[in-house]
Amino acid sequence: NAGVMQNPRHLVRRRGQEARLRCSPVKGHSHVYWYRQLPEEGLKFMVYLQKENIIDESGMPKERFSAEFPKEGPSILRIQQVVRGDSAAYFCASSPLISDTQYFGPGTRLTVL
Amino acid sequence: GQQVMQIPQYQHVQEGEDFTTYCNSSTTLSNIQWYKQRPGGHPVFLIQLVKSGEVKKQKRLTFQFGEAKKNSSLHITATQTTDVGTYFCAGEVAGANSKLTFGKGITLSVRP
Repeated sequence: NAGVMQNPRHLVRRRGQEARLRCSPVKGHSHVYWYRQLPEEGLKFMVYLQKENIIDESGMPKERFSAEFPKEGPSILRIQQVVRGDSAAYFCASSPLISDTQYFGPGTRLTVL
Repeated sequence: GQQVMQIPQYQHVQEGEDFTTYCNSSTTLSNIQWYKQRPGGHPVFLIQLVKSGEVKKQKRLTFQFGEAKKNSSLHITATQTTDVGTYFCAGEVAGANSKLTFGKGITLSVRP
């Protein structure tokens, strides 16, 4: 079975552009989580989604950030009008049930110039 | 809200020394999980503890769940340079059927 896939692995954007990060969960997993990790810091929870529903977005900035997990296709984390402070590693994880082991993808490392 | 705390954030040991770190929750947990993230890598699941007082071993790593199910420990015997990385604990609040809450992690460095 393929693990969690994220693409792109590295993304460079200029200030003001949009960043679109994709995550394909483990086949059969319906729970997806997005985390942000700044250099030398821990994982910061952003958003938790099930198919077509946002369950918990308490960790996601209210402006410029959005997430979706459509019925078909990968989960998308979208950052509009990126700023330098958005530079970080963004990890996606999936699990079969809500409190089960989370399987992490390799991450997308976003650099904002 | 629930908090899962790992203090300190960094620890440095000499190769061959033992290492112990703790994870503390503000609420009772139904289970606790440990993950390891190597430098430049992504978090990888290590183990899950469910029962009060449970102890599990993986080679030189020993994991324990506290009797009150509010804390956990990770002990590494005779650390090696391959043990470097960040160790995260993550817990689920008992009875809440909620997502895991991750601690901030402890980054271990090992001097050869």
